Amino acid sequence: AQSVTQPDIHITVSEGASLELRCNYSYGATPYLFWYVQSPGQGLQLLLKYFSGDTLVQGIKGFEAEFKRSQSSFNLRKPSVHWSDAAEYFCAVGARGFQKLVFGTGTRLLVSP
Amino acid sequence: NAGVTQTPKFRVLKTGQSMTLLCAQDMNHEYMYWYRQDPGMGLRLIHYSVGEGTTAKGEVPDGYNVSRLKKQNFLLGLESAAPSQTSVYFCASSSALAGGSYNEQFFGPGTRLTVL
Repeated sequence: AQSVTQPDIHITVSEGASLELRCNYSYGATPYLFWYVQSPGQGLQLLLKYFSGDTLVQGIKGFEAEFKRSQSSFNLRKPSVHWSDAAEYFCAVGARGFQKLVFGTGTRLLVSP
Repeated sequence: NAGVTQTPKFRVLKTGQSMTLLCAQDMNHEYMYWYRQDPGMGLRLIHYSVGEGTTAKGEVPDGYNVSRLKKQNFLLGLESAAPSQTSVYFCASSSALAGGSYNEQFFGPGTRLTVL
């Protein structure tokens, strides 16, 4: 079965600084990979997804992620963080041929002035 | 186009009471899901449905039942609520790609349930 690890529970970044959120997955074949963002009191919104092809994927709000098969990773990056990016971020993995996603435990991003 | 809506937004129950959470989507999606979100545990899948009249168990199905009598609705029931079911519940839906693949899951705003 597939699994997802987000090793950082909290991350604090200064506004304007770059951001990288880590995601490692476990799955025997090429997975489907997703990053979702959850603002306080809200549901989840899709930032980006990887299905196949180019391993660097662009998403909304200036985010990107890179799929690295050799490292089983799908880290989320943003070159310059804005205060409005403060939220919780979830990585999720899906197995091909099944309809279910498995989510990581999330990383809470705090943005300092 | 409302997307995914959930009713109610908040609810407080006493142990042993029952209730039903309603999820509705207006995107004509085939797949629907119920998750629970607990601090430090991310989202865990309770039950899901790949079409009208079909349901399947997810990761944490015990204590919950579901029904999908209409394509646009997915109901989550708690027959006898327990304090361990205090959580935030999210519904999601997605369309189906060819070959049973994935597409984006769209989430509702959540229902905050407290069981005393």
